[in-house]
Amino acid sequence: DAKTTQPNSMESNEEEPVHLPCNHSTISGTDYIHWYRQLPSQGPEYVIHGLTSNVNNRMASLAIAEDRKSSTLILHRATLRDAAVYYCILRDVGSSASKIIFGSGTRLSIRP
Amino acid sequence: GAGVSQSPRYKVAKRGQDVALRCDPISGHVSLFWYQQALGQGPEFLTYFQNEAQLDKSGLPSDRFFAERPEGSVSTLKIQRTQQEDSAVYLCASSLAMTGTDTQYFGPGTRLTVL
Repeated sequence: DAKTTQPNSMESNEEEPVHLPCNHSTISGTDYIHWYRQLPSQGPEYVIHGLTSNVNNRMASLAIAEDRKSSTLILHRATLRDAAVYYCILRDVGSSASKIIFGSGTRLSIRP
Repeated sequence: GAGVSQSPRYKVAKRGQDVALRCDPISGHVSLFWYQQALGQGPEFLTYFQNEAQLDKSGLPSDRFFAERPEGSVSTLKIQRTQQEDSAVYLCASSLAMTGTDTQYFGPGTRLTVL
């Protein structure tokens, strides 16, 4: 399975944008890029996913490099509630009901 | 609507005891997954059900771990003769269909502590 690389931790200020990077240099053509996050004492929750084009939803934006070897999750205006571990995950659209392979993720801290 | 629920939320077991962890997936979700999350690490896959069929149990760490989903809805993860290394949070997730990129909805987890 293609793997992802993320920084262990990041820190940001409240109400400022946050850019969380992810490298996936061995991504295959059928891999979607997914982001999940895990708030303290909760299970992971879906944030966003994309294939080639940049994506926006109410939670975040996903910017995907043209060669698809890296991507960035963008939180436009971080709040204290965004403090969590963020996981960048590759999922193969061609497989059936694939398990999620989590890495260690990026622990995001927000300064008030 | 109701999300994925798990019970108990916390379980303390003495080494050697058997435990059973329950997962109630979102109604109508075909796929159900179990993950194990050790302290400070990301969740790791244990097993997967499609309706009542257990299609992948490659992540179960030993034959002391057993999972079932007899009617294709509620699932139980059973751990026999618990060991200290079994201490972890056990997460259950469900998804509506069976494609490789379906969103998985996670429960809050059961924190198991083996003394």
